[in-house]
Amino acid sequence: DAGVIQSPRHEVTEMGQEVTLRCKPISGHDYLFWYRQTMMRGLELLIYFNNNVPIDDSGMPEDRFSAKMPNASFSTLKIQPSEPRDSAVYFCASSSTHRGLRTDTQYFGPGTRLTVL
Amino acid sequence: ILNVEQSPQSLHVQEGDSTNFTCSFPSSNFYALHWYRWETAKSPEALFVMTLNGDEKKKGRISATLNTKEGYSYLYIKGSQPEDSATYLCAFIRTGGFKTIFGAGTRLFVKA
Repeated sequence: DAGVIQSPRHEVTEMGQEVTLRCKPISGHDYLFWYRQTMMRGLELLIYFNNNVPIDDSGMPEDRFSAKMPNASFSTLKIQPSEPRDSAVYFCASSSTHRGLRTDTQYFGPGTRLTVL
Repeated sequence: ILNVEQSPQSLHVQEGDSTNFTCSFPSSNFYALHWYRWETAKSPEALFVMTLNGDEKKKGRISATLNTKEGYSYLYIKGSQPEDSATYLCAFIRTGGFKTIFGAGTRLFVKA
């Protein structure tokens, strides 16, 4: 398996532009997570999905952020309009249940480094 | 507010030293605790998944213990090597929604 795939790896955009980050989880995994890493706040959970359904989006900073998971193999995180303070590394991770219990490890993608000028 | 705290924030040791660091988490609504190793410019990689009070896990020179009643986990590295240099993150997963909360990490530097 190729692992969790994220694209693009780097994104540089100007303030006010729309940014879309993409994630392909590991095949067969039923949980998908979006994280943001900054120097100030470390690794923050933004939102996670179970079987393509958003379960907890309380970490999404504001209405400018939205996430979708139209099918089991694809998710997007969109920022519209983007602001300089959104500059960070955004990670996607996936995991699976085991015997009905969600204790399995999260597998992280390589991250997307976003710079908003 | 759920707090997951790790200490120390950073640690500098010599090659061959043994070291340990702490992850503190809420003692209620515990579901699981994960330890991750995060090298610079890479993504976090799983070390251990711990679910039961008293759990002890070991992988090579690295081991971890768990106390869910008092809300802490220790990570130990025996005979540190320069390649152990990384940030070690713990992640607390609570019941009722399975939200994952990461600590800020302990940054380990091992000097040859």
